This record gives sequence, structure tokens and C-alpha cells, in this order.
Amino acid sequence: AQKITQTQPGMFVQEKEAVTLDCTYDTSDPSYGLFWYKQPSSGEMIFLIYQGSYDQQNATEGRYSLNFQKARKSANLVISASQLGDSAMYFCAMREGGIDSGYALNFGKGTSLLVTP
Amino acid sequence: DGGITQSPKYLFRKEGQNVTLSCEQNLNHDAMYWYRQDPGQGLRLIYYSQIVNDFQKGDIAEGYSVSREKKESFPLTVTSAQKNPTAFYLCASSPLTGTARSGNTIYFGEGSWLTVV
Repeated sequence: AQKITQTQPGMFVQEKEAVTLDCTYDTSDPSYGLFWYKQPSSGEMIFLIYQGSYDQQNATEGRYSLNFQKARKSANLVISASQLGDSAMYFCAMREGGIDSGYALNFGKGTSLLVTP
Repeated sequence: DGGITQSPKYLFRKEGQNVTLSCEQNLNHDAMYWYRQDPGQGLRLIYYSQIVNDFQKGDIAEGYSVSREKKESFPLTVTSAQKNPTAFYLCASSPLTGTARSGNTIYFGEGSWLTVV
């Protein structure tokens, strides 16, 4: 079963506008972490933001914020004031389980974001 | 500079040939990972290692092999048993302190493109 679901294959946003990328997850583990990565066309994976399952406040990193709704099991990424350089693939990922799992990340299939002038 | 180095960036494999992708990190991370990325599939875990001389299979280990003889090195061999090896391969590393909800970020290399010719 898919543990991370990103329902938006592609999104458009106009420069300087805000955009929300959706992510829902599935786990029965009370201790987990949620991550967002950006992948530009060059292929590298760039870490953006992280949210722990016990964190009380939503994470923020500059123009990125994570809208964490634990009861709904959603962890949406909000990008404010979009820039042309934000055009990329965005992946939501989850880490769960004990140390035997190696704390490997499970990834969603990604959302392609295109920022237009 | 600290980071993860993957080589080669581009690799071509003939049918029936084994090829090895190199991954080196100087971040002193305990855990290392190999992921495969196909279009529309997101990232899928091939193998991971938490300690030298030990490694575990991920979700799609068939047709691949790894070794971890040194903490900083985690090479991936794509064997002839892998029937569809054309993909983008990403190596990653992470500290192993804390729990799954700890903010230990997984850092990625720049990836290697493997094509069967």
C-alpha cells in the first residue's frame, strides 16, 4: 500500500503567488518524521523542510511552511511568494519505524510545479 | 566541501553486463542508502546500510548488490539479473541518532544516470 500520496501530478502558479502542494501519509507508528524535497531538472534532491510527529507547531523555513494536520494525516507544503526558480519536482517523504528500518525514507510520486511569469 | 559524491554521472551498460556505481560520503554518517528513480514512480529504496559490513534489502533489491567495507563508501552493482536497469540512481546518507521523528535529514548525491544499450 502506498504510504505517501501526492495527488497532484502537476501544478501551475503565477510568480509571486502562494501555492500549496498536497501530501497525505499512512502510518500506525506514533513516531515518524515528514520531509519535503525539491528536485530541479538537474536531478539533485534538495531538502526543504521537516516536521516531527510530536511537534506542536507547523515547521517553517523561509518561504516554505508545512501545514501539518495530524488527525487528517496530511502534511502539505506551502510555498509563499513563488519564484521562477521554484519550478521543479517536489517530493513528500516519511520516515517511520525503529532503527532496524535504517530510518529510510518512503517517497511519494511527486508533484511537478511550474511557476509562470 | 562535505557531501556525497556519486560517479559516474552517466553510464551505459550492455546487455548481460554488470556495472558498479560509486558513492562516497565525507559527512561521517552511519547510514547510507541507494534509491532508484523512474519517471512517475518517485524514489524507491534498493538497499540501505547502518554500519560497516552490514546492509539490508529495500523494496526493490532484486538484481542489485552492495557492499559496505568502509563507513564512507557504499557502491551499488547493477547485475545482469536486473532486467530493466535504465533509471536514475541516487545515493544518500544520514546520521542514525535519535528516533524516526528526529530531524536527521537524509542528504543526497547528485545521482547517476544508467542506460542500457
